[in-house]
Amino acid sequence: NAGVMQNPRHLVRRRGQEARLRCSPMKGHSHVYWYRQLPEEGLKFMVYLQKENIIDESGMPKERFSAEFPKEGPSILRIQQVVRGDSAAYFCASSPTRTDTQYFGPGTRLTVL
Amino acid sequence: GENVEQHPSTLSVQEGDSAVIKCTYSDSASNYFPWYKQELGKRPQLIIDIRSNVGEKKDQRIAVTLNKTAKHFSLHITETQPEDSAVYFCAASRIQGAQKLVFGQGTRLTINP
Repeated sequence: NAGVMQNPRHLVRRRGQEARLRCSPMKGHSHVYWYRQLPEEGLKFMVYLQKENIIDESGMPKERFSAEFPKEGPSILRIQQVVRGDSAAYFCASSPTRTDTQYFGPGTRLTVL
Repeated sequence: GENVEQHPSTLSVQEGDSAVIKCTYSDSASNYFPWYKQELGKRPQLIIDIRSNVGEKKDQRIAVTLNKTAKHFSLHITETQPEDSAVYFCAASRIQGAQKLVFGQGTRLTINP
């Protein structure tokens, strides 16, 4: 059973561009969580999704950030008009049910020039 | 909302000695407490977790204790080895409802040979 997959692993964008981060959960997992980790800091919750539904987006900035988890395909975290402060590692995690352990992907390291 | 404090931020121990990392949480409704290990540039990996219906859980050299009254929980690593060197994060969440994890700030553990 393959683990949680994320791509790209590294992403470089210039200020004002868009960043799209993809997350494929483990097989059989329908719950996806996105977290952001700034350098030398802990992980901060951003958004929790189930297939086709956003369950909790309380940690996501109101502007420029959006997330989706379509019926088919990976979950996407989209950042529009990136700024230098968006530079961070973005991790997704998945679980088979809402109450199960979360397993993390390898992360996408976003660098904004 | 939930707030998790983790101490110490750095910890250095001699190989073979024990290491203890402590966390406190603020939300009395939290009832799930996982610990993750993160090596440099890698994904967070679950090493042990505990639910509030037990006070202690052990897995070989790793143990976690929970004191719900005082709202704190601790990670104990015995007979430390060089491969235990990493950053360790505690987290807390409610099992019911959106299971977003609230992480501590992390502890950088160094095992000296």
